[in-house]
Amino acid sequence: AQRVTQPEKLLSVFKGAPVELKCNYSYSGSPELFWYVQYSRQRLQLLLRHISRESIKGFTADLNKGETSFHLKKPFAQEEDSAMYYCALKGVSNAGNMLTFGGGTRLMVKP
Amino acid sequence: DTGVSQDPRHKITKRGQNVTFRCDPISEHNRLYWYRQTLGQGPEFLTYFQNEAQLEKSRLLSDRFSAERPKGSFSTLEIQRTEQGDSAMYLCASTTGRKGISYNEQFFGPGTRLTVL
Repeated sequence: AQRVTQPEKLLSVFKGAPVELKCNYSYSGSPELFWYVQYSRQRLQLLLRHISRESIKGFTADLNKGETSFHLKKPFAQEEDSAMYYCALKGVSNAGNMLTFGGGTRLMVKP
Repeated sequence: DTGVSQDPRHKITKRGQNVTFRCDPISEHNRLYWYRQTLGQGPEFLTYFQNEAQLEKSRLLSDRFSAERPKGSFSTLEIQRTEQGDSAMYLCASTTGRKGISYNEQFFGPGTRLTVL
């Protein structure tokens, strides 16, 4: 069975502070991990995927297979980063590409 | 707007009634997914189609739920004899499903919020 855990429901930081949104997963094989974001009144959208190893809007995430984690980080938070963030997993054997999502973390960046 | 669309955006119904939701994917996308999201939770997979074929269903999809994609374009999700526990946001997503690519980005619709009284 595959599972994604986001331990924090809410993370509140001040503008300019570093941000780390935690994500842990459980999967017996080698998964693909993603971060999705939902800004206020907008639809869910892909932020980044571990395979791409890219930085999007200043966010990065490294897959740590030893710790089964895929934490999302940004060195200096901006007010426009305030949103719901969901970590998601796709099993490699999953031909249908269905995603298993975590419960989400609401990031609030205060001025 | 060329994104995924869903109709209606909101539905309020009484317990025991049947409801039907529609999803129109991005036109060239051959894969379509339904997810359900309850308050405070992330989306949970319900079912997916490749073209008109329904290839997988979650155990969450009880026999009161049925989904179709008759011509491989739009899809409908019907819930019969609704229960209060069915109250949730129902999300639709689509993707190209191109072969040889491990993951094709899923594009989500705005969702249909169902409230069962």
